[in-house]
Amino acid sequence: DTAVSQTPKYLVTQMGNDKSIKCEQNLGHDTMYWYKQDSKKFLKIMFSYNNKELIINETVPNRFSPKSPDKAHLNLHINSLELGDSAVYFCASSQGGGTGGEQYFGPGTRLTVT
Amino acid sequence: GESVGLHLPTLSVQEGDNSIINCAYSNSASDYFIWYKQESGKGPQFIIDIRSNMDKRQGQRVTVLLNKTVKHLSLQIAATQPGDSAVYFCAENTGRRALTFGSGTRLQVQP
Repeated sequence: DTAVSQTPKYLVTQMGNDKSIKCEQNLGHDTMYWYKQDSKKFLKIMFSYNNKELIINETVPNRFSPKSPDKAHLNLHINSLELGDSAVYFCASSQGGGTGGEQYFGPGTRLTVT
Repeated sequence: GESVGLHLPTLSVQEGDNSIINCAYSNSASDYFIWYKQESGKGPQFIIDIRSNMDKRQGQRVTVLLNKTVKHLSLQIAATQPGDSAVYFCAENTGRRALTFGSGTRLQVQP
């Protein structure tokens, strides 16, 4: 009965590879997000989707491409991985509205690029 | 004890004491604020929120205070327990449907 789930939990890969992280929420929320948390624990928004439509796209390299097949899923594909992409990536969801509302976070995916 | 949430400082308190974690937010237009708790290896977990038309909100053992004049937010935890040990983040919403997080404060509770 996990509210927001992510797979995989750990991902170790080499530079130059392409990888995907999947996220699913069963809360019926209409907005989903991807955040990146660096080694200093700083959390920063990357993307936000509302009803499958991209509404926030922060200054993220275009090697990162989110895909929302339906409003319960938001996947993150990363091309040509670089060392600096190593971080923990969190998916979150909320029930829309202009103020964002409470966001529910997944357990995170720790990406290590070697 | 008190701490300012910059560069992940650490606040160390004794079990049973009250904890105060502070946060300075950046945008005077922010109208919604949340405190999150993040335990090791887990995602951030909602603790309490407050809207800009309030200056205080209480939950179970937690109180959030908002001072819009100086753009300051604080989280007070009463009778701190070992299970409260975690990193605490304040977050503000500027109406962009995403949260801007502060840099976090690590709370360590000594038994």
